[in-house]
Amino acid sequence: KAGVTQTPRYLIKTRGQQVTLSCSPISGHRSVSWYQQTPGQGLQFLFEYFSETQRNKGNFPGRFSGRQFSNSRSEMNVSTLELGDSALYLCASSSGTHQETQYFGPGTRLLVL
Amino acid sequence: QKEVEQNSGPLSVPEGAIASLNCTYSDRGSQSFFWYRQYSGKSPELIMFIYSNGDKEDGRFTAQLNKASQYVSLLIRDSQPSDSATYLCAVSSGGSQGNLIFGKGTKLSVKP
Repeated sequence: KAGVTQTPRYLIKTRGQQVTLSCSPISGHRSVSWYQQTPGQGLQFLFEYFSETQRNKGNFPGRFSGRQFSNSRSEMNVSTLELGDSALYLCASSSGTHQETQYFGPGTRLLVL
Repeated sequence: QKEVEQNSGPLSVPEGAIASLNCTYSDRGSQSFFWYRQYSGKSPELIMFIYSNGDKEDGRFTAQLNKASQYVSLLIRDSQPSDSATYLCAVSSGGSQGNLIFGKGTKLSVKP
């Protein structure tokens, strides 16, 4: 079974631009969660999508948004990029049922200049 | 504010020894507990999960949960240099598992 895939793997943007990251979950998984990882703050939850609906949301500004498609693939978008948005963005998928574990993709490393 | 605390380390143990990693959490409603391993430059990899009080063993790994003390630990027996990584404790408060709260991780170094 193929794992979680994320594209692109690396990205360089400048302040004020916007960016879209993509995540394809493990086949059969309906839940996709997004996390931001930085050296200072560690891994922080952004949001979770299940069956095309946002089910949970972390404490991030509205510049961070996401969506999920009918095939469970998900995208996250960050508008008006700031230097502090430089981070590793990780996507994790699970079946979405109770007590089901999450499996992480390789991540997208975003650098904002 | 729900928090998960871990000693940042680094924790250094000799090869063959037992490594003990600890984690405390603030939300008494937490129901599911996970340990992930993250090598430098890589994404987190699930090692263990535990839902009930007590011990759970999987090969060289043992997870221990004490909900009364809000404490979860990971023991690694016969530590190997390949176990050198950052270990992340994650907690879910029930219902959807999609929202994990992570500790900042403990860096483990196993010396040959």
